[in-house]
Amino acid sequence: QQPVQSPQAVILREGEDAVINCSSSKALYSVHWYRQKHGEAPVFLMILLKGGEQKGHEKISASFNEKKQQSSLYLTASQLSYSGTYFCGTPRGRDDKIIFGKGTRLHILP
Amino acid sequence: KAGVTQTPRYLIKTRGQQVTLSCSPISGHRSVSWYQQTPGQGLQFLFEYFSETQRNKGNFPGRFSGRQFSNSRSEMNVSTLELGDSALYLCASSLDTPYEQYFGPGTRLTVT
Repeated sequence: QQPVQSPQAVILREGEDAVINCSSSKALYSVHWYRQKHGEAPVFLMILLKGGEQKGHEKISASFNEKKQQSSLYLTASQLSYSGTYFCGTPRGRDDKIIFGKGTRLHILP
Repeated sequence: KAGVTQTPRYLIKTRGQQVTLSCSPISGHRSVSWYQQTPGQGLQFLFEYFSETQRNKGNFPGRFSGRQFSNSRSEMNVSTLELGDSALYLCASSLDTPYEQYFGPGTRLTVT
């Protein structure tokens, strides 16, 4: 039931783009994205509900394809502050528990 | 607005002992979820409480239990501690699902 995230880790230079994928073998109700910096608690980025919508947060956006049971997080012109571990969480119903993937470690080099 | 608080922040226990961790959610939030985080395993869901009722449960043994009080504060208890229980325990509060969760700083539990 745990969603699968890819890649597991990525190293970029400042200004480069990154895509983090999240896929599930089960039908999804929504997809949640969080970022956790080293030594800190996870911080909410965005939620995508059914409907294939794409949402954005500054230069970070995401898409949700419910038919493919996939979501992708897009980081454009990455900044040093984007470094951290990104988690996707996938509940299967409105009140269902949020199961998180193992995370994708993103490291941005100056 | 005060954030989610967790106490204690650090705890060292011996195998076989039991431990209680506390979480105070953001004012007005009725949902509290607990997660165990270990290196390489990400965030493992323990349970979620909503309005004093356990609404969801993860795949952890019965040694892990929790409760929520009428003021939404939550506690989790781990009995008969094992070495493998050493982890960062995070709680997160939200208004309800599917709203965003706000995580506390966590309690670092070390079992020796």
